[in-house]
Amino acid sequence: QVQLQESGPGLVKPSRTLSLTCTVSGASISSGGYYWSWIRQPAGKGLEWIGRIYITGSTNYNPSLKSRVTISVDTSKNQFSLKLSSVTAADTAVYFCAREDGQWLYFDSWGQGTLVTVSS
Amino acid sequence: QSALTQPASVSGSPGQSITISCTGTSSDIGGYNFVSWYQQHPGKAPKLLIYEVLNRPSGVSNRFSASKSGNTASLTISGLQAEDEADYYCSSYTSTTTLVFGGGTHLTVL
Repeated sequence: QVQLQESGPGLVKPSRTLSLTCTVSGASISSGGYYWSWIRQPAGKGLEWIGRIYITGSTNYNPSLKSRVTISVDTSKNQFSLKLSSVTAADTAVYFCAREDGQWLYFDSWGQGTLVTVSS
Repeated sequence: QSALTQPASVSGSPGQSITISCTGTSSDIGGYNFVSWYQQHPGKAPKLLIYEVLNRPSGVSNRFSASKSGNTASLTISGLQAEDEADYYCSSYTSTTTLVFGGGTHLTVL
């Protein structure tokens, strides 16, 4: 059974870069057939899709975040990562990593989520 | 991209049925069958309920069903139970090769 676990700083200063890593176990990112995605949720609000990456390195990003987002993959560590630059308080949220079925585009496995607060 | 439109809240009594709508455009829900639904309890990660408009993954109760008509997808929960009280989100693929979620609907079981 696939498991995903987010890790990274829980506190980031404004204007800095938020960096998170998702470690995948129980499945190999290299196997293909899935996208590896990031989703966030501000407190008390809904889910927001951030973007995704495929094993080929192909990425898709939310247009509203595209200028600040980079998603990358490290197959040797079976991890994928999120970088969000120039953060503000509006980027404070629980960040989830998730596996997305490559054929029918649904999220079948999620990490538990990690809270990132943007504050000085 | 704009979030899909869901009612902020719905409610029902135990044993009743409720339906949650999710309205988009011809560039997302109306154009593709890549619609999925998720259930989220407080403090938890979302859980997949429905994929490809109306398919249930193994392990999901058959009390959950879904459909799509035009630009609107719907999730129906029958035989409401207390444990169904949660937030529900729809999601769709879009014509710009991105994904978009609905704003979420809070279900209260009275």
